[in-house]
Amino acid sequence: DQQVKQNSPSLSVQEGRISILNCDYTNSMFDYFLWYKKYPAEGPTFLISISSIKDKNEDGRFTVFLNKSAKHLSLHIVPSQPGDSAVYFCAASALQETSGSRLTFGEGTQLTVNP
Amino acid sequence: EAQVTQNPRYLITVTGKKLTVTCSQNMNHEYMSWYRQDPGLGLRQIYYSMNVEVTDKGDVPEGYKVSRKEKRNFPLILESPSPNQTSLYFCASRTQGFGYTFGSGTRLTVV
Repeated sequence: DQQVKQNSPSLSVQEGRISILNCDYTNSMFDYFLWYKKYPAEGPTFLISISSIKDKNEDGRFTVFLNKSAKHLSLHIVPSQPGDSAVYFCAASALQETSGSRLTFGEGTQLTVNP
Repeated sequence: EAQVTQNPRYLITVTGKKLTVTCSQNMNHEYMSWYRQDPGLGLRQIYYSMNVEVTDKGDVPEGYKVSRKEKRNFPLILESPSPNQTSLYFCASRTQGFGYTFGSGTRLTVV
């Protein structure tokens, strides 16, 4: 039972354009969401997070949007750069239940930014 | 440098031969966790620990053991590895209020 789903295995965009990565979740107990970026031969690195009390969080070129009623979040990257090419994982946690120790990941989306 | 260190990076072993993958963090983090990454399945949590001597099962604990005798170390033990445990393994640690910091991974092949 996949509680966090990233339905697009891959996404290709042109440099300078917007990249939008999507993520859906089913567990209504999830109240904290994170995005990680992963390059080949490296571990995932934390990118940005959002608490369920917010609907938007921004950090430079990266913005995460949360739609709790739809159980959907998205990561916007503007403008996209070739160095952003990586696998992006969405992750969710129920902070109230596990203090963030249980972190459930989606399948990942391979983003390719073409020069 | 703050980091999570896993060893070895690569390991090929035979079915049934016990092995241990070590994990150490130098950030004094309370929480540690092990994940495995498989194509099409993303990262799945194997075990996690909320502090010394406190561990609990994640989503895919079968065939694995862990221990947390010291705060900095969280080894993953495969008592009798099988080919379906061939995977890319990540150790991670975190402190309250922050997301996990991951190690560089251990690619395990069981033949």
